[in-house]
This record gives sequence, structure tokens and C-alpha cells, in this order.
Amino acid sequence: DADVTQTPRNRITKTGKRIMLECSQTKGHDRMYWYRQDPGLGLRLIYYSFDVKDINKGEISDGYSVSRQAQAKFSLSLESAIPNQTALYFCATSDPRQGSNQPQHFGDGTRLSIL
Amino acid sequence: QKEVEQNSGPLSVPEGAIASLNCTYSDRGSQSFFWYRQYSGKSPELIMFIYSNGDKEDGRFTAQLNKASQYVSLLIRDSQPSDSATYLCAALKAAGNKLTFGGGTRVLVKP
Repeated sequence: DADVTQTPRNRITKTGKRIMLECSQTKGHDRMYWYRQDPGLGLRLIYYSFDVKDINKGEISDGYSVSRQAQAKFSLSLESAIPNQTALYFCATSDPRQGSNQPQHFGDGTRLSIL
Repeated sequence: QKEVEQNSGPLSVPEGAIASLNCTYSDRGSQSFFWYRQYSGKSPELIMFIYSNGDKEDGRFTAQLNKASQYVSLLIRDSQPSDSATYLCAALKAAGNKLTFGGGTRVLVKP
């Protein structure tokens, strides 16, 4: 089983719909992240959470919200989806006990298309 | 200016040759640097990280860091067709502990 699991893997929906992407992890990491990836733009940080009571905006948080339901779960919501939110979305985790060398571990991604 | 810059490529390399990938960063507060490999449609996977000036070798991969020049590179020796992928450079800042990614360099290894 994957250590970082994202659901759904693919989603096609219409403009204006509310969408939730879910992420769960079995790595026991405190830190979780949501990124989106667009061709040629690398990964851009949407939101991140360093523990259950901590939520922080990333560089492109407008139009998105998150919920950290437990250490192992971090969900991303699009309240009213728009076509330019069509992208590949990744969840990631990291372990702060590894200090400044903590790598991030990624889920398999959710391909989201908004028509 | 992007915080982390990479040439988008594609970088075309003959099989068996050395692929040299470059990355520059603008924030001197960056303290650790990571190289990820990403196959098309897949998630990024960590190749290696570096935080001290100089070279760090891991198998066919060598990362090089020059903090004075704000420059990180990745060398892939004996390139194989399976190395064809996009390589992402990322910088970790001490403040906030967030990774900032470059746009990635696409590498094509031709048999």
C-alpha cells in the first residue's frame, strides 16, 4: 500500500461545483502539503500544515481551502471550481525530526479537469 | 524572477553520456537542496539532497552545490533511456521550512 494516498486519482467536473480532494498518510509525519502542477511551472504550494492545529497559506491559496482532520488526513477543497484550476494536484508529507534535510514524500496525484 | 530557476529543456543526451542539469536560486536563506525525478503523469521521487558546498555522490548521480554562486547542479553519469524524465530542483528555506520548486528540466536519453 502507498504511504501517501490521494483520492480520487482522476476527476472531471463542471464549473461552479464544489470538489474535495483527500489525502491520507501512514508515514506518521506531522507535516502535510498540497501542491498543484501545471506544465512548465513546476510545483506550486497551495496550503501546508505542520500539525493538526496549524494551517498556512502557500503561494497560490486563493480559491482553495483545506482541513486537517487528523495527523494522517489533509483534504483540499475547491468551493466553486473554475476551469483554470484544471491541473495535477499532489499531496506530500515530511518529517520535521529530520531537520533541514527533511525530504517531502508525494502521493500519486489527482488529475482534475474542470469543464 | 523565480526563486528557483531551471532550464526547461529538453536536454538531449546520448545513451552512456553524462547529463548535466543546472539550477540557480535567489534566496540566500535557502539551506538545503533537493533533486526529484518525475516521469510523465507520475509523482516526484527524491533522487538526492545536498546542504554543504561541494559534491555529493550517490551511484550514478552527483549533486554539486556552490552557495556563493547560488548554484546547484546534478550530473547523471552513464545515462540510460530510463533516465528520461523531468528533473525538479527544490530549495528549502530555514524560515518556514517550505520547499520551493523550479519548473523542471526535461531530459531525453537517446539510445
